[in-house]
Amino acid sequence: DQQVKQNSPSLSVQEGRISILNCDYTNSMFDYFLWYKKYPAEGPTFLISISSIKDKNEDGRFTVFLNKSAKHLSLHIVPSQPGDSAVYFCAANKAGNTGKLIFGQGTTLQVKP
Amino acid sequence: KAGVTQTPRYLIKTRGQQVTLSCSPISGHRSVSWYQQTPGQGLQFLFEYFSETQRNKGNFPGRFSGRQFSNSRSEMNVSTLELGDSALYLCASGGGGTTQETQYFGPGTRLLVL
Repeated sequence: DQQVKQNSPSLSVQEGRISILNCDYTNSMFDYFLWYKKYPAEGPTFLISISSIKDKNEDGRFTVFLNKSAKHLSLHIVPSQPGDSAVYFCAANKAGNTGKLIFGQGTTLQVKP
Repeated sequence: KAGVTQTPRYLIKTRGQQVTLSCSPISGHRSVSWYQQTPGQGLQFLFEYFSETQRNKGNFPGRFSGRQFSNSRSEMNVSTLELGDSALYLCASGGGGTTQETQYFGPGTRLLVL
């Protein structure tokens, strides 16, 4: 039962362009969504989060959009840089279970110079 | 502020042995969660400890256990190791609140079971 899904295993974009990573979820009880960036054999690094009461959150080059009716969120990176190349994980948790993150399978982003 | 630390970073064990991994959370954080990452299963939640008590548990066999100390440091133990336990084990710390908390991860412990 995959409650959080990232249907695109990989994405390749040109440096300077926009990267859009997508994530879908099935559990309507999730109220907090997070994006992490991960390199092989390292721990995930927190990027940005969004509460279920919002539809957009920005932090520098990173913007997360949440569409609750569609149970869909996306991470936009503008402009994309070669250093952004990594695996990106979408995760979610719910009230009372904040320490239990449910992760998607990840999307490998490659930004080409 | 120092981040989440995990020791050791790498471990090699043989089947049937047991292993203990350690995690020190960010100063002031009271919640520690453990995750297993494997190529086939992705990142899966093992358990969470808060105030020295297990607060949440994932779907792993009883061979996987943990504990938390009064200083919030946590240990995870895996007994009777199997080849399939080879994975990256990650711990994450959080403030322990009940809503909309961000979890911050350590660098992980890479366990290889031969």
